[in-house]
Amino acid sequence: NAGVMQNPRHLVRRRGQEARLRCSPMKGHSHVYWYRQLPEEGLKFMVYLQKENIIDESGMPKERFSAEFPKEGPSILRIQQVVRGDSAAYFCASSPRQHNEQFFGPGTRLTVL
Amino acid sequence: DAKTTQPPSMDCAEGRAANLPCNHSTISGNEYVYWYRQIHSQGPQYIIHGLKNNETNEMASLIITEDRKSSTLILPHATLRDTAVYYCIVRVIITGNQFYFGTGTSLTVIP
Repeated sequence: NAGVMQNPRHLVRRRGQEARLRCSPMKGHSHVYWYRQLPEEGLKFMVYLQKENIIDESGMPKERFSAEFPKEGPSILRIQQVVRGDSAAYFCASSPRQHNEQFFGPGTRLTVL
Repeated sequence: DAKTTQPPSMDCAEGRAANLPCNHSTISGNEYVYWYRQIHSQGPQYIIHGLKNNETNEMASLIITEDRKSSTLILPHATLRDTAVYYCIVRVIITGNQFYFGTGTSLTVIP
């Protein structure tokens, strides 16, 4: 049973470009969570999605950030007009049910030049 | 969700038991204690969780005090691969959508 997959593992963007991060949950998991980890800090929750629905986006910045989890395909975290402060590791986690333990992917490291 | 307090760093000799403490003095009756670890640059790895009773699995044991104000994660025979940052998290399992990761304890296993 493959774990949570994220791609790309490393992403470099120039200021003003768009970044798209993908997450494929574990088989049988329909709940996806996105976290961001700035250098030397702990993970911070961003958004929780279930298939086709955003359940909790309390940690998502109000502008430039969006997330989706379509009926088919991976979950996408989209960052428009990236700035240097967006440079971080972005982790996706999945769970089979709400409130279960979450299983994390390897992360995508975004670097904004 | 209640906050937790952990020592910033600890060392442990290879082959010995690693005991990682966590204080959660404001924990509520419906909050569980979870432990995750993050090996350098990797995604966090679930270790164990519990409510009141002590728990054991193939990775570790979790000892929760009777008043639930603190707990200890025990790695019975630490190896070099256990070097990681260990996060103690309390979470309302019925309503909590997220895990609050603090700064954790950086455990270094020494040969």
